[in-house]
Amino acid sequence: AQKITQTQPGMFVQEKEAVTLDCTYDTSDQSYGLFWYKQPSSGEMIFLIYQGSYDEQNATEGRYSLNFQKARKSANLVISASQLGDSAMYFCAMRAVYNFNKFYFGSGTKLNVKP
Amino acid sequence: EAQVTQNPRYLITVTGKKLTVTCSQNMNHEYMSWYRQDPGLGLRQIYYSMNVEVTDKGDVPEGYKVSRKEKRNFPLILESPSPNQTSLYFCASSLSAEYYGYTFGSGTRLTVV
Repeated sequence: AQKITQTQPGMFVQEKEAVTLDCTYDTSDQSYGLFWYKQPSSGEMIFLIYQGSYDEQNATEGRYSLNFQKARKSANLVISASQLGDSAMYFCAMRAVYNFNKFYFGSGTKLNVKP
Repeated sequence: EAQVTQNPRYLITVTGKKLTVTCSQNMNHEYMSWYRQDPGLGLRQIYYSMNVEVTDKGDVPEGYKVSRKEKRNFPLILESPSPNQTSLYFCASSLSAEYYGYTFGSGTRLTVV
């Protein structure tokens, strides 16, 4: 079975500080992709960052980076220099190449950025 | 602009009145899928399609129908909506079944009264 766990239902961070959102996953597949999505209050799902299971370097996209620790099966999202517009729900997700029709989502973390 | 377009964004309807939520992508993606998002239950897959005329059930297909007559379109049909289908619906597509990346539509917030 495949499963995504996000243990932080809600978090606060001060504007301009960095924050780490935790994600652990469970899979028996060797080849898979890990994703982070942002869902603002307006509801849309915004793709943030992707990490392949065979990628040796951690993915980065602007202020977003993914701290990938394969042996520990963790894929934490790091947001640097938080902005008020970062306040949203954040979902970690996984898709395996041999189980492609399953896109597993975590339960999400609600991030609030304080001015 | 490469995107997945869902319509409508918001819909309030009455029990039993057939409705269709449209989904269209302009990226020539083979794989498309529908999800519903409910508080405490996360995102659950309703149906998916690997290509034209190829569709299959996801985790929660009851009460829904889909069709894939053209590559770009993947409508979700509720023949007889019920209040338990009140939810936020997302259409998503990816280049192929084997390609990881998903592009999501903006979502459709459906209320069935």
